[in-house]
Amino acid sequence: QKEVEQNSGPLSVPEGAIASLNCTYSDRVSQSFFWYRQYSGKSPELIMSIYSNGDKEDGRFTAQLNKASQYVSLLIRDSQPSDSATYLCAVRSGAGSYQLTFGKGTKLSVIP
Amino acid sequence: DTGVSQNPRHKITKRGQNVTFRCDPISEHNRLYWYRQTLGQGPEFLTYFQNEAQLEKSRLLSDRFSAERPKGSFSTLEIQRTEQGDSAMYLCASSSGANEQFFGPGTRLTVL
Repeated sequence: QKEVEQNSGPLSVPEGAIASLNCTYSDRVSQSFFWYRQYSGKSPELIMSIYSNGDKEDGRFTAQLNKASQYVSLLIRDSQPSDSATYLCAVRSGAGSYQLTFGKGTKLSVIP
Repeated sequence: DTGVSQNPRHKITKRGQNVTFRCDPISEHNRLYWYRQTLGQGPEFLTYFQNEAQLEKSRLLSDRFSAERPKGSFSTLEIQRTEQGDSAMYLCASSSGANEQFFGPGTRLTVL
């Protein structure tokens, strides 16, 4: 059973601070990792993808991957109230499978 | 708008009725996915198409669910003899390669 675990939150950070979101996964052969943002009542929106160990930066977002520890994280710098949403971690195992396995999401609240 | 589109956006039906949802992927994308999401959970994989071929299907998917992608373009998801437990957001996603999946707005199903 492939599992993706996230703290459900809510995670509250003040405006301008760094928000740190964490995710662990159980399937060691996992190859591709994604972060989606989901506003209440809306569908998931892809914000970051990462495939190799290390950091990947895109604007205010940095994804970090450590395959040995089966851990992936998302940092949001200079957090804004508009970043308040649920952040979903998703993992694709590879090995001929294209389905994504999602965590339950972490709800982030950025306080003005 | 060149994103994934889904119709209808909302569907209310009575228990026992059949419903059908449609998904139009991003035009150049050859892979299409269906997921289901309930409140407080991440999306759950249902099935996946590469062109017109259905290549993966969740073991959790009831026989009451069927999906088609007859010409490798749009897809339909049918639920027969709906049950209250089928109430959820049904999400469609598409991708051009093995990795990044982009979601449509979803169809929210309510079974009374």
